[in-house]
Amino acid sequence: AQSVTQLGSHVSVSEGALVLLRCNYSSSVPPYLFWYVQYPNQGLQLLLKYTSAATLVKGINGFEAEFKKSETSFHLTKPSAHMSDAAEYFCAVSSDSWGKLQFGAGTQVVVTP
Amino acid sequence: DAGVTQSPTHLIKTRGQHVTLRCSPISGHKSVSWYQQVLGQGPQFIFQYYEKEERGRGNFPDRFSARQFPNYSSELNVNALLLGDSALYLCASSSPGVQGLDTQYFGPGTRLTVL
Repeated sequence: AQSVTQLGSHVSVSEGALVLLRCNYSSSVPPYLFWYVQYPNQGLQLLLKYTSAATLVKGINGFEAEFKKSETSFHLTKPSAHMSDAAEYFCAVSSDSWGKLQFGAGTQVVVTP
Repeated sequence: DAGVTQSPTHLIKTRGQHVTLRCSPISGHKSVSWYQQVLGQGPQFIFQYYEKEERGRGNFPDRFSARQFPNYSSELNVNALLLGDSALYLCASSSPGVQGLDTQYFGPGTRLTVL
């Protein structure tokens, strides 16, 4: 069985400040891990994915995430928030290569000027 | 290249009716998955099809069914609609990539409202 927990349903950051979104997973096998972003009234856009090639993964729009097996975490960061980063962010896990995804509940990010 | 497309964009139905949602995958992708996203929650996996065969099914009742056509497009059917079926239905297509991993690319979704 696998599951994903995202800590904090809402996060408010100032423009230019660090963005940190937390994700912890449980999986009976080495997982594949993903971060997706969803803008209002849109589908999901892939930000980045972990496939065991490297523990630090760089994605689009300046985001990156670090896989820490000992902590079963895959937190998402961005050094400097931009107004356009306001959206909902989902962490997801897959335990097989078919890509069937188990999503967390999501974290809504608000960016204040 | 066009991304995943879904139709219709919005749909309003009444309880007990039937609905069909459609999805066209990214060109070259042979796998299609369906997810249900209830307001305020993360998407939940419903089905995955590969080469017209069901490859996985989530914890949804038999009222939900799907199929994939020879051109890899897909339909999701829901019978006897309930108020709780109101959600955004997302379609994703995929193709084996790095290390054989299928990465899901999502369409814009179909917003279903059941009254």
